[in-house]
Amino acid sequence: DIQMTQSPSSLSASVGDSVTITCRASESIGYYLNWYRQKPGKAPDFLIFAVSNLQSGVPSRFSGGGSGTDFTLTINSLQPEDFATYYCQQTYSTPYTFGQGSKLEIK
Amino acid sequence: QVQLVESGGGLVKPGGSLRLSCAASGFSFSDYYMAWIRLAPGKGLEWISYISAGGTTEHYADSVRGRFTISRDNAKNSFFLQMNGLRAEDTAVYYCARDAGGDFYDGRFDSWGQGTQVTVSS
Repeated sequence: DIQMTQSPSSLSASVGDSVTITCRASESIGYYLNWYRQKPGKAPDFLIFAVSNLQSGVPSRFSGGGSGTDFTLTINSLQPEDFATYYCQQTYSTPYTFGQGSKLEIK
Repeated sequence: QVQLVESGGGLVKPGGSLRLSCAASGFSFSDYYMAWIRLAPGKGLEWISYISAGGTTEHYADSVRGRFTISRDNAKNSFFLQMNGLRAEDTAVYYCARDAGGDFYDGRFDSWGQGTQVTVSS
């Protein structure tokens, strides 16, 4: 199975800040990388697919980049609803696997 | 809008069984692959099973194959996860989710339920 490793596991920031979360795959996955956000006590939201494509309704302050094994999720101008846990997922090779999550907390 | 609502979680002893249900609304349920995904304490999300739109194809993660069975009832806009032989490591919040591919399996999940807690403990 392809292992997905996110860093950092947790980070803190303030409203208005920008943050970047990294996701590394154990082997090359091309552009088959997706991102989800899970607010506390809520269902996960599908944010980004194929590295950098925003799901419908996702604000433009979210952006994704990378290819191969190294990927990033950047959130600009953090809003209160962005303080959540973020997961990357590869859909290159079954079983499609997720990262362990990166928890973004308010500083 | 799309709504998925899980039910059936609870506390069960090791070796016991539970049946999870997911009621879907707001979309043409019979046109979509559906899946179960879980989140165990201290771990990341784990896909565990999917079922095709027509219910003819099922697939399972190695960790649950032979113990869990997925099924669906398109007439009732619902699908299910029968969990037998439960182990402590199955303790998790279980989410049902809609696959973004529609009538082919894509592996990306564009709508999720709120989750139901399953605790396996003596």
